[in-house]
Parts: sequence; structure tokens; C-alpha cells
Amino acid sequence: SQQGEEDPQALSIQEGENATMNCSYKTSINNLQWYRQNSGRGLVHLILIRSNEREKHSGRLRVTLDTSKKSSSLLITASRAADTASYFCATDAKDYGQNFVFGPGTRLSVLP
Amino acid sequence: GAGVSQSPSNKVTEKGKDVELRCDPISGHTALYWYRQSLGQGLEFLIYFQGNSAPDKSGLPSDRFSAERTGGSVSTLTIQRTQQEDSAVYLCASSSTISGNTIYFGEGSWLTVV
Repeated sequence: SQQGEEDPQALSIQEGENATMNCSYKTSINNLQWYRQNSGRGLVHLILIRSNEREKHSGRLRVTLDTSKKSSSLLITASRAADTASYFCATDAKDYGQNFVFGPGTRLSVLP
Repeated sequence: GAGVSQSPSNKVTEKGKDVELRCDPISGHTALYWYRQSLGQGLEFLIYFQGNSAPDKSGLPSDRFSAERTGGSVSTLTIQRTQQEDSAVYLCASSSTISGNTIYFGEGSWLTVV
């Protein structure tokens, strides 16, 4: 399976701390994306990183990609209670066209 | 449209009945995806369309599930003879190479089979 796998499955931190979530995948990819989901409804796109990129920033988010290890990390700095959500990574494998495969997600709880 | 639109947002149906879920993707997006998510779980890939054709139907759980897309736009996911295990949120998403392959999701259709 080309499925991405996030870890940890659940993460609980205090407001103001940084949160780091990891994603691993199995096949060569075109790009990797991180998404956020509140309350089991639609996912919101956070950031896309291409296979030839190593790091990308967007506000308080920092994403890294290590294609040699087939892994990515999402760092949320100075977390807020509103960051509480599930975070998913999605990959589109080069051999699978545009079929995006999601991992099981990391449930982040930011305590006030 | 401005975003991916799904209907109905909530559906309660009796076991054994057929249901149709509709997805209206972002205008101009050629790729359309259906995923299923059970409570507290990750996303389960169901089917992917490129235009009107479905290169990958591998995720459809059984022959009770089918999907079509017409005019390269609206898609319908049909579940026949629904079972209680079909209860889940059904999420639709669309993307295009113009959007950089970013996938945009609808708010989902929550299906409850009683």
C-alpha cells in the first residue's frame, strides 16, 4: 500500500507549545499535502510540498520532506486551542496518477 | 462554483434502501474523488474520476457501491441496499493541475443507516 501513516496517532500539548506530527509513505511521490479536519467534516488544505522541495513555511506551519526516508513532518509553532483538530497527510504516488491516499491522521489537542 | 458542494449534508435511511449522494466539484476541476470516513477514523479512498472516466475504482467496498460522473462535472455516488456498516461521512473532493493538484473538499454527506 502507498498509504501515508501519521504518527503519533494522538498528541496533547499545552497552548503555546510546538506540535510536531510525522508522516511516512511507501512509494515515490509527486507531492505531499497536509490537511486539517475539524469535527469530522470537510478537510482544509494546509500546505503542499513537492518532491523536489525540502522545506516549506506558511504562517505558523513548517513542513519538511525527506524523500530518502520517505517521510514528512508538520510543525505547528506557538499552538493555540483553535489548532485542536485532526491532521492528515496525503500523497500522490508517481505510479498511481492523481489518486491521493490519506493516512489515518493525528488527533491534536491543544489545552488552554 | 466557489467550492465543492455536496448534498444532502445529512441523510438517514432505512437498511435496505438505496441512497444517492451528489457532488458538485469546483468549476473546471478535472479530477474528482470520493472518500469515506467512519467516526474517528481516517479517510478511505473509494473512487477517482479524471473527466468522466474512473481510472481507479479499487476502493469501492462492494458491488452495492457505484459512482458516475457526467459532463466532466457533477458526480453521484449510489449505494444500493444500504447496510448499517455503510454509515459514515462520504467526502467528495476535486482538483486540477491548474490548482497545483491541491485537493479541495466538500463538507461531506453524513449517512446514517438505521
